[in-house]
Amino acid sequence: DQQVKQNSPSLSVQEGRISILNCDYTNSMFDYFLWYKKYPAEGPTFLISISSIKDKNEDGRFTVFLNKSAKHLSLHIVPSQPGDSAVYFCAAPYSGNTGKLIFGQGTTLQVKP
Amino acid sequence: DVKVTQSSRYLVKRTGEKVFLECVQDMDHENMFWYRQDPGLGLRLIYFSYDVKMKEKGDIPEGYSVSREKKERFSLILESASTNQTSMYLCASSLRSGLRDTQYFGPGTRLTVL
Repeated sequence: DQQVKQNSPSLSVQEGRISILNCDYTNSMFDYFLWYKKYPAEGPTFLISISSIKDKNEDGRFTVFLNKSAKHLSLHIVPSQPGDSAVYFCAAPYSGNTGKLIFGQGTTLQVKP
Repeated sequence: DVKVTQSSRYLVKRTGEKVFLECVQDMDHENMFWYRQDPGLGLRLIYFSYDVKMKEKGDIPEGYSVSREKKERFSLILESASTNQTSMYLCASSLRSGLRDTQYFGPGTRLTVL
């Protein structure tokens, strides 16, 4: 059972435009979400997170929106830059205070100059 | 600067070989994790350790074992490598102060089993 889903394997946008990456989840007990970014031949790095008590969290060009009723979150990148080209994973902690994360399948973003 | 290192970036092994993947972190983190990344499947947790000599199975532990004899080192062992274990293997670590602690990843080991 895939509890965290990223249904778009890839996304291509033009430099300077907005990139919107989507993530759906099935477990209503999830109360915290994270986005990681991964370049080829490197490990994922933490990008931004959001708690379920918020519906928006912003960090520079990156904003994550959470819609709890729809069990949906999205990552907006504005403006997109070629250096943003990477694989983006959304993740949520397993229930219980274990530190384990459940990751989505990932979306490959290509930003064209 | 936080650092998670993995012993090899690329590894080629034969079917049936015993394979060791090593991971070392220098952040004094309690938690350590092994994932594999496959196209279309994302990151899947193989094993997790929350303390020295303590381990817990993840979602796909079959065919793997782990060892954590020292806090900074977490080893993944493929007892008898098979072609379906060809994958990117990622190690990560985190503090155990709460479930919201960021995981820090190593650069990954691309394993090919022939």
